[in-house]
Amino acid sequence: DAGVIQSPRHEVTEMGQEVTLRCKPISGHNSLFWYRQTMMRGLELLIYFNNNVPIDDSGMPEDRFSAKMPNASFSTLKIQPSEPRDSAVYFCASSLAGAGDTIYFGEGSWLTVV
Amino acid sequence: KQEVTQIPAALSVPEGENLVLNCSFTDSAIYNLQWFRQDPGKGLTSLLLIQSSQREQTSGRLNASLDKSSGRSTLYIAASQPGDSATYLCAVSGGFKTIFGAGTRLFVKA
Repeated sequence: DAGVIQSPRHEVTEMGQEVTLRCKPISGHNSLFWYRQTMMRGLELLIYFNNNVPIDDSGMPEDRFSAKMPNASFSTLKIQPSEPRDSAVYFCASSLAGAGDTIYFGEGSWLTVV
Repeated sequence: KQEVTQIPAALSVPEGENLVLNCSFTDSAIYNLQWFRQDPGKGLTSLLLIQSSQREQTSGRLNASLDKSSGRSTLYIAASQPGDSATYLCAVSGGFKTIFGAGTRLFVKA
């Protein structure tokens, strides 16, 4: 299996622009997670989907952030408008059966907002 | 609210040394605990998963223990190698959430 696939790997954008991060989970996994990692705050869970349905989005920092999972093989995390403080590494991860199972991470999307 | 703490924050050891990384958590009502490895510029790779009913798990030179009642886990690395240099994170899962510690940055000197 190719693992969790994220795109883009790196993005540099100007403040105010829309950013869309994409994720393809491992085939057959029913749970998908979006995390954000920064030096200051470490790894934070943004949103968790189970069977394509958002279960917990309490970690989404503001209304500027939104996430969708239209089908079992694709998810997006959108930031509109972006701000410099959104600069971070955004990880997508998936597991076979929720947080109680081994979680597999993608390589991350490195976002810089200038 | 679950909090996960890892000590030490950084560790430098000579090659061949056995070492222990520590993880503590505040809420013992967990499903499992996982240890991950993160190389610079990469995602996290799961090393070991210990279910709440288990006491330890082993994989090669790695051994992880779990004492749920005291809120502690250790990751033991035997005969460390330069290739073990990375950041090691522990994560506890309860409910829908997996909470990560800040990690221990390990450097193994050749």
